[in-house]
Amino acid sequence: GEDVEQSLFLSVREGDSSVINCTYTDSSSTYLYWYKQEPGAGLQLLTYIFSNMDMKQDQRLTVLLNKKDKHLSLRIADTQTGDSAIYFCAEKAGGTSYGKLTFGQGTILTVHP
Amino acid sequence: GAGVSQTPSNKVTEKGKYVELRCDPISGHTALYWYRQSLGQGPEFLIYFQGTGAADDSGLPNDRFFAVRPEGSVSTLKIQRTERGDSAVYLCASSLRPTSTEAFFGQGTRLTVV
Repeated sequence: GEDVEQSLFLSVREGDSSVINCTYTDSSSTYLYWYKQEPGAGLQLLTYIFSNMDMKQDQRLTVLLNKKDKHLSLRIADTQTGDSAIYFCAEKAGGTSYGKLTFGQGTILTVHP
Repeated sequence: GAGVSQTPSNKVTEKGKYVELRCDPISGHTALYWYRQSLGQGPEFLIYFQGTGAADDSGLPNDRFFAVRPEGSVSTLKIQRTERGDSAVYLCASSLRPTSTEAFFGQGTRLTVV
């Protein structure tokens, strides 16, 4: 079945770049997502990438996809204290026409002033 | 509504009791999903509704869990004979169509079984 792995913790200084990494197993995944979760809140979609792309940029966010290695990363430029949260990588299950997602465990990003 | 609404936001129940968790999706959204997020984990898929029917219930952990969406909008997740291991945040998401790229998540219901 599908499996998504992320490192658990990342700590950066305000103003630096953050890079959160994710690996997945389903080679037929069509879309890959990054979600943000703040304490006590639901999931907020940050960005997503279609599997036939290798890069997507959206303001401070850059997503890189290495389909051969099944590796996805999220780079946050000029990280701010408000970026402190849990970040989840998710893949849309291949072989389904609907949006069933498999999530990683989440990476806790801590931004220090 | 403006977003996906879930009620209650918190629910504490005793082991063995029955609970119902409600999800109000965004108006007009035909696809609805339930996920469960245990402490320190990512959300795990439970069930998917297209309209009124459960098209994929492969994530329901056992027959104590059941969900309905009788009119194709509001959905209720029902848990019988609750166990301490059912304690988690239950998240609901909806999307305009099943093939929509983005699903919108509610704030979740935190269920605590004591």
